[in-house]
Amino acid sequence: ETGVTQTPRHLVMGMTNKKSLKCEQHLGHNAMYWYKQSAKKPLELMFVYSLEERVENNSVPSRFSPECPNSSHLFLHLHTLQPEDSALYLCASSPGLHIDTEAFFGQGTRLTVV
Amino acid sequence: GQNIDQPTEMTATEGAIVQINCTYQTSGFNGLFWYQQHAGEAPTFLSYNVLDGLEEKGRFSSFLSRSKGYSYLLLKELQMKDSASYLCAVTMGAAGNKLTFGGGTRVLVKP
Repeated sequence: ETGVTQTPRHLVMGMTNKKSLKCEQHLGHNAMYWYKQSAKKPLELMFVYSLEERVENNSVPSRFSPECPNSSHLFLHLHTLQPEDSALYLCASSPGLHIDTEAFFGQGTRLTVV
Repeated sequence: GQNIDQPTEMTATEGAIVQINCTYQTSGFNGLFWYQQHAGEAPTFLSYNVLDGLEEKGRFSSFLSRSKGYSYLLLKELQMKDSASYLCAVTMGAAGNKLTFGGGTRVLVKP
């Protein structure tokens, strides 16, 4: 248990569906991140939020839309995805964006796009 | 750009030692993390190196050479539960605490 909880753990969606991934942290951290982990590829940073403000969008297609309503919650809204978007989506948090301490990861949402 | 390389897979015997190397080419290097990830689980923090040298934590040690762009993770007295992927990740000074990962090394421990 890392203190970062992601739901759902598994999700299967069609290409025309709209769904959302949820991440919650109870660690009092100020920075939150979305990463994508595809088979045989390195973990890729998608989005960074610091104090509820998006500070980075790592050239992610607009079919992925993040939302950070408060410092404890992070969402990733999905719509009109492609099969190549199937991956493990990991949320992480850290005390602050410019503090070099470890990030705490959730267990991820395994997404399959059919 | 950034380039972080580590072997894809390694196999070792229970009780033995395994060394996982990571080389990186980045601009503005700040520090290097090692994470462990069991299949289907969250990556968990193992170590962080910012200065040259060896950091020891029980059975796990991590080494960094900034001038060579090189790190290794040393796992001693291997146990079956050490079978996992080991992820090398760097942070770059201006980018704050955003991790750039290597592809991970899958370690299989055999009896």
